[in-house]
Amino acid sequence: DQQVKQNSPSLSVQEGRISILNCDYTNSMFDYFLWYKKYPAEGPTFLISISSIKDKNEDGRFTVFLNKSAKHLSLHIVPSQPGDSAVYFCAASGPAYGGSQGNLIFGKGTKLSVKP
Amino acid sequence: DGGITQSPKYLFRKEGQNVTLSCEQNLNHDAMYWYRQDPGQGLRLIYYSQIVNDFQKGDIAEGYSVSREKKESFPLTVTSAQKNPTAFYLCASNRQVNNYGYTFGSGTRLTVV
Repeated sequence: DQQVKQNSPSLSVQEGRISILNCDYTNSMFDYFLWYKKYPAEGPTFLISISSIKDKNEDGRFTVFLNKSAKHLSLHIVPSQPGDSAVYFCAASGPAYGGSQGNLIFGKGTKLSVKP
Repeated sequence: DGGITQSPKYLFRKEGQNVTLSCEQNLNHDAMYWYRQDPGQGLRLIYYSQIVNDFQKGDIAEGYSVSREKKESFPLTVTSAQKNPTAFYLCASNRQVNNYGYTFGSGTRLTVV
């Protein structure tokens, strides 16, 4: 049973426009959420995170929004650039996740393509 | 530069053979992790270690083994008991448990032939 879901396997946007990547989770005990970016044949790199005590965190062109009541978070990239083309993974963690305390649970990823 | 080094980048193994994937970090991180990525799948946790000489099973530990004899090293052995070993393997580390700033290696692509 997937606890972190990214329902869109792919997303295509035009350069300069906004990219919105979505993520849903089922475990209400998750208290920390992260986004990672991954290029082919490379390891993921940390992009941005948000604690459950916040509803928004911004870092340059990247903003993450958290809606706890809906168990939903989203990553906004504005403006999108061709170099943003990559797979984006949503991840969550929390104290009550089985025996793997503190470990990250990843979604399946969304492949973003930004067209010039 | 500090980081995590995984080697080799590509690895081929015959069915029935064990193979060991290397992961070394010079970040002085306490915790280290092994994840597996399959096409269309997220990253699934195989094993993790919070301190030297201690490690815990993740979600898909069957067919894998690890050791943590040194803080810097966390090798993963894919045994012949692993039914579907062909995958992309990622090693990660972080400064301490519950610090979520994972640093990932560049991965090892294992193919069983």
